[in-house]
Amino acid sequence: QKEVEQNSGPLSVPEGAIASLNCTYSDRGSQSFFWYRQYSGKSPELIMSIYSNGDKEDGRFTAQLNKASQYVSLLIRDSQPSDSATYLCAVNPFYNQGGKLIFGQGTELSVKP
Amino acid sequence: DGGITQSPKYLFRKEGQNVTLSCEQNLNHDAMYWYRQDPGQGLRLIYYSQIVNDFQKGDIAEGYSVSREKKESFPLTVTSAQKNPTAFYLCASGDRLSSYEQYFGPGTRLTVT
Repeated sequence: QKEVEQNSGPLSVPEGAIASLNCTYSDRGSQSFFWYRQYSGKSPELIMSIYSNGDKEDGRFTAQLNKASQYVSLLIRDSQPSDSATYLCAVNPFYNQGGKLIFGQGTELSVKP
Repeated sequence: DGGITQSPKYLFRKEGQNVTLSCEQNLNHDAMYWYRQDPGQGLRLIYYSQIVNDFQKGDIAEGYSVSREKKESFPLTVTSAQKNPTAFYLCASGDRLSSYEQYFGPGTRLTVT
């Protein structure tokens, strides 16, 4: 079982719709969770961090964390073509003492005008 | 401006040559990381360092070497022993106080022929 799993996609949504990106993780003791956006040919950019169960909203982005079910999701409301990118989920596992994040393989999102 | 710089943006080398990639950060982060990304693939950790004069191997350290003589700098040398060095190399930094959320530099695209 991979430590952090994401659907590779591509996930295609129409402009204005809600895009839902999901991530599951294996280490039950994980404490910190991050979403990164990576445009083609560019480096990853941190867009959301979440540490406690529930929802965290930042503009059009909402991160949702459910530690009991070991999943974290990212919702993008009113999706725009400029949101088309690969979204990486990253987890800081409990056993990790050196700040190594475990990254998923990423989900490619395509927002169609 | 606080951030992470990597240089050069593009680098071309002949097979058999060692090459050093630069990474500098002025975020006052203790931890620094080097990742490799191949086309259509996720991030793979090469080396990381939590503190000056100390570093640990990541998942794919063979054929690479690093040093951490200053807090701000974490150069990566790609040696001739690395079998497939052509890739996109990403440097990141993070801090324990922010649960190691990582910030990435713009990356160096290395081509070896």
